Amino acid sequence: DSGVTQTPKHLITATGQRVTLRCSPRSGDLSVYWYQQSLDQGLQFLIQYYNGEERAKGNILERFSAQQFPDLHSELNLSSLELGDSALYFCASSAWGPGTEAFFGQGTRLTVV
Amino acid sequence: GQQLNQSPQSMFIQEGEDVSMNCTSSSIFNTWLWYKQDPGEGPVLLIALYKAGELTSNGRLTAQFGITRKDSFLNISASIPSDVGIYFCAGQDSTLTFGKGTMLLVSP
Repeated sequence: DSGVTQTPKHLITATGQRVTLRCSPRSGDLSVYWYQQSLDQGLQFLIQYYNGEERAKGNILERFSAQQFPDLHSELNLSSLELGDSALYFCASSAWGPGTEAFFGQGTRLTVV
Repeated sequence: GQQLNQSPQSMFIQEGEDVSMNCTSSSIFNTWLWYKQDPGEGPVLLIALYKAGELTSNGRLTAQFGITRKDSFLNISASIPSDVGIYFCAGQDSTLTFGKGTMLLVSP
C-alpha cells in the first residue's frame, strides 16, 4: 500500500458528461501529480500541485482542470467527455518537489461510452 | 516538454537470465526513479537515485544514475516469473517525466 488513495476505482459515464476524480496523498506529502495512461501510451503528465498551488502543467486539455485543497487532497475534473478520454488516471504524491520519491495510487479507470 | 528514451521496448527472456534496460534524456535530471507496473495497477517505486554516479541495489535489482545526469540503467539479476510487468524510468527536476516503459516477459 503506497498510502495514496484514489476514488473511485472505476467510473463509467457517457460522452458529454463531467466527472471528478479524487486523490488523497500520503500523509505529509505536499506535492500531487496527475497522469493519464491510455492503452498504448505511457504515463502522460497532466498537472502538478504543490501545497495548493499549481506547479507544472503538462499536456492537459482545456476540458480538464484540477485543484489541490487546503487539506492537500486533489481533484481532477474532466468535462465534455469524449470516447478518447477513456484511460487510467493516476495520482502520485511526494513530500515536496524535486529530489524526493513519488508514490502512486491505484488509479481510476474511466470508461466513456 | 522533456522526453525520456527508454529501451528496449520489450523483452522476452528465460527464467534465471539477467536483464538490463536503460533510459536516456536530452536534459539533466536531479533524481532518477525506477517503477514497475502490473496490469491495471499503479506503478510501484523500485529504486530511487539521487546523485550522479550513484549505484543502488534493492534485492536482485541494481540501478545507476549516469555521470552526465542524463541517463540511468536498471539491471535485474536471476529473473523469476513474478518479474513480469512494465518497468518505467522517470526523471525528476521540477516535475516527474516518464519513459514509455519496457515490457518484460519471463518464461518459466
